[in-house]
Amino acid sequence: RKEVEQDPGPFNVPEGATVAFNCTYSNSASQSFFWYRQDCRKEPKLLMSVYSSGNEDGRFTAQLNRASQYISLLIRDSKLSDSATYLCVVNPNNNDMRFGAGTRLTVKP
Amino acid sequence: NAGVTQTPKFQVLKTGQSMTLQCAQDMNHNSMYWYRQDPGMGLRLIYYSASEGTTDKGEVPNGYNVSRLNKREFSLRLESAAPSQTSVYFCASSEATPGLAGTQYFGPGTRLLVL
Repeated sequence: RKEVEQDPGPFNVPEGATVAFNCTYSNSASQSFFWYRQDCRKEPKLLMSVYSSGNEDGRFTAQLNRASQYISLLIRDSKLSDSATYLCVVNPNNNDMRFGAGTRLTVKP
Repeated sequence: NAGVTQTPKFQVLKTGQSMTLQCAQDMNHNSMYWYRQDPGMGLRLIYYSASEGTTDKGEVPNGYNVSRLNKREFSLRLESAAPSQTSVYFCASSEATPGLAGTQYFGPGTRLLVL
C-alpha cells in the first residue's frame, strides 16, 4: 500500500464548478500536511498547508481528518487556470516528505 | 534572487555512464533534497541534507550518491547509470523548522534518459 494515495483522475469540470479531491495517508504519526500544485512539465509549488482546524485561502479550502487519516482539497468557482495536477504531501518528520502521485484536474470553458 | 537552480535541464546517457546533477539555492536554506518523479509514482525522496556537511538517505537511495558542497549547493551523482534511472529529477530546499518543513521550493527539474 502506498503511504499517500490519491485518485489520479482526471477530473474534467466546467468553469465555475466546485470540485473536491481526497487523499489518504497510512502513517498515523504524520505531523504536517500540504497540497502542492504542479503544472505540466513544471516543478511542484506549495498551494497551501493543511491545519487540523481546516483552513481556507480564497477559493481553496483544505481539511484534515486525523481519525480517518485523510486530507481534502475543495476548489470553488473553478477557473481555467486551476488546470493542473494537485499533489497531496504528508510530512512524518522534519526532513521526510511523502508525496502522492497526484490528481489531475482539467477545467474546461 | 533565482531561487533553486538545476543543471543540466536535459541529459541522455548510455547505460554505465556516470554524471552529476547540480543544484544551487540562494535562499540561505539549511535543508536540501533530491527527488525523482516517475509516472504514477509521485515524487520519491532520494537523499536529503539537513545542514551543510550532513546527508541522509531517503526512500530510494540505491544507485545514487550526494555531496553537500556548501550551504548553497547539493549535487547528485549517478556512478553507473541504468535505464531504471530514467526519470525527472527535482532538487528542493527548505527551512525545515517545525511547521515549515513543508514549504519546499523546487528547481525546474532535470529530465534524464538512460538508454
